[in-house]
Amino acid sequence: QSVLTQPPSVSAAPGQRVTISCSGNSSDLARGYVYWYQQVPGASPKLLVFGHNQRPSGVPDRFSGSRSATSASLAISGLRSEDEADYFCALWDDSLYGSGIFGGGTKLTVL
Amino acid sequence: QGQLVESGGGVVQPGGSLRLSCSASGFSISPYGMHWVRQAPGKGLQWVALISHDGVIKNYAASVEGRFSVSRDNSKNTLYLEMSALRPDETAVFYCVREGGWPWGQGTLVTVSS
Repeated sequence: QSVLTQPPSVSAAPGQRVTISCSGNSSDLARGYVYWYQQVPGASPKLLVFGHNQRPSGVPDRFSGSRSATSASLAISGLRSEDEADYFCALWDDSLYGSGIFGGGTKLTVL
Repeated sequence: QGQLVESGGGVVQPGGSLRLSCSASGFSISPYGMHWVRQAPGKGLQWVALISHDGVIKNYAASVEGRFSVSRDNSKNTLYLEMSALRPDETAVFYCVREGGWPWGQGTLVTVSS
């Protein structure tokens, strides 16, 4: 099964901007948009970014997504202590015989 | 947006079987494909299975093919995952997810241990 590659951890101070990368092969990324999720311990993943840098209602615009042919990134600006969590990227193939592909997750530490 | 609630998790012995359910509220699952995803303790997410909106097409991760079976009852707005020949390394929280990657349920923990 194809996988997406993320850095295991990133850290930054409150108020700063951090980016989390998600890389994969071009054929996987060509399947569609990269989704970004936030997961705090004991909870299920929360959708942050989907589609063409779209955010569900309630997600602040401090969170933004971008992508190229072989990678995607999540940027978080104006870091807050409550942003400390695990972040996952995902590709969903909802076609018949589709599947999901996930990154290994990145632990964000707010210093 | 709606909500998904998984149930049926618990402790099962190695080689045993378990049936998980995922009940939807606030929306009808009938137009949507539905996924199962699992997460071992302290680990990342792993896709498990997808079932088409009408239940005709099913796709499984290679690691569970032949042992897991996904099904649905649209009249009950519920998704199921039948698991057999479970192994200790399959201890995980199991989530159901609607196609399009949202919403997720809160998850149900399956512990495979003697």
